Amino acid sequence: QSVLTQPPSASGTPGQRVTISCSGSSSNIGSNYVYWYQQLPGTAPKLLIYRNNQRPSGVPDRFSGSKSGTSASLAISGLRPEDESDYYCAAWDDSLSGWVFGGGTKLTVL
Amino acid sequence: QVQLVQSGAEVKEPGASVKVSCKASGYTFTTYGISWVRQAPGQGLEWMGWISAYNGNTNYAQKLQGRVTMTTDTSTSTAYMELRSLRSDDTAVYYCARDLCTDGVCYMGYWGQGTLVTVSS
Repeated sequence: QSVLTQPPSASGTPGQRVTISCSGSSSNIGSNYVYWYQQLPGTAPKLLIYRNNQRPSGVPDRFSGSKSGTSASLAISGLRPEDESDYYCAAWDDSLSGWVFGGGTKLTVL
Repeated sequence: QVQLVQSGAEVKEPGASVKVSCKASGYTFTTYGISWVRQAPGQGLEWMGWISAYNGNTNYAQKLQGRVTMTTDTSTSTAYMELRSLRSDDTAVYYCARDLCTDGVCYMGYWGQGTLVTVSS
């Protein structure tokens, strides 16, 4: 059981906009930054969004992040087949004094 | 460019120990901390702990306290994670991840390729 809650799956057709939610609590998302990672099949996670809504260089602006209260979301616009991947949210948890992750969302591009 | 190269796959019997290495290059090793994260087959990511490559300070996940030890060798720019008293549910891919820091806030920014540890009799 993950500390952060994500939907197990999401889907969309090419060109669509999809959002993935991440719900936490006051000890994690509510008081710290949210990060998003993309994990393509058989590969290591890759940083996609940092500090709620910042993109590392090289990450397309089709990817955006937001946070409100104890929830966050990742939006992907102009969906492409290569976006098919697992996506994880993460945040520091003050009560646990450690990083916590969501259970991951498998995105399917139909 | 930052590279984290991990050691190869391991097969261990229950009750044994495993030590996974993570060799860093492309930056000054002692500048950034390293986290270890594991992923059981078909499951999500689990943070195991963090070590400062500067002074060796550690912060372990409560769940693994007493079974895990993280160390570094600054002479070879290598981080190590040892897990003892292995159980079948320790079977997972183990990743090292280097800190990336922005305005004093650090997070897992660069990842190794992962090391599969299989615990089986």
